[in-house]
Amino acid sequence: GQQLNQSPQSMFIQEGEDVSMNCTSSSIFNTWLWYKQDPGEGPVLLIALYKAGELTSNGRLTAQFGITRKDSFLNISASIPSDVGIYFCAGPRAGGTSYGKLTFGQGTILTVHP
Amino acid sequence: DAGITQSPRHKVTETGTPVTLRCHQTENHRYMYWYRQDPGHGLRLIHYSYGVKDTDKGEVSDGYSVSRSKTEDFLLTLESATSSQTSVYFCAISDLGGPQHFGDGTRLSIL
Repeated sequence: GQQLNQSPQSMFIQEGEDVSMNCTSSSIFNTWLWYKQDPGEGPVLLIALYKAGELTSNGRLTAQFGITRKDSFLNISASIPSDVGIYFCAGPRAGGTSYGKLTFGQGTILTVHP
Repeated sequence: DAGITQSPRHKVTETGTPVTLRCHQTENHRYMYWYRQDPGHGLRLIHYSYGVKDTDKGEVSDGYSVSRSKTEDFLLTLESATSSQTSVYFCAISDLGGPQHFGDGTRLSIL
C-alpha cells in the first residue's frame, strides 16, 4: 500500500535557524497536506498543496508539491521556540481527494533551543 | 479547533468493558473520521463516515465499530476493550474538497 516516509525523524536546532523536512512516497499523490501537532493537542493544518510544482507560504512556513508528485517539502525560516512540535505530512490514498482516506507520515519531531 | 469536540478527553477502563467515544462537530461537514495515534505508527484511520448512516472501514478497523445517526455526531465503540487499544484517539472532519481538521483527542487507557 501507499507509504509516506518523512525525514528527518527528529531535529534539534537553535532558535533563528532555518528548518527543512521532506516527505516521499513510492506512489503518486494528488494532494499534499502538512500538519503540526503540539503536545496534548490534535494536528493542526499548516499548508495544503493541490498541484504539482506548487509553492505555498504561510508566514514563515513554505511548502512545495514536488514535480514528480511523489514528494513534498516543508521549510520553516527563522525558527522560534513555539515551532516545537511534531510535523506530519499527509495525502489521500490512490484515487481519492483530500476528503478521502489520508495516509500520514511518521512525523518529524522538532526541538528548538532558545 | 474547527468546531470539533471529543468526549471524554481522558478515560481509564478495564479489559473486556465496552467503551464509546464521541465526536461532535458544529461545522455541518459531511465527512467524519476516527484515527488512533501510537508511537512509531503515526496516525492510522480506524473508520470514517461520508454521510449520515454511511460509514466505511479504515486500515485498523478490527475491534471497533462506529455509528452516525446525525450529521454532527460520530461515535466510536470498542465492544470489548483490549490492552492493545490503549491509544490516543482523534476525530477529524472535512467537507467536500477540503482538508481534514482534527479535534484535541481522547486519551484512552485500558488496564
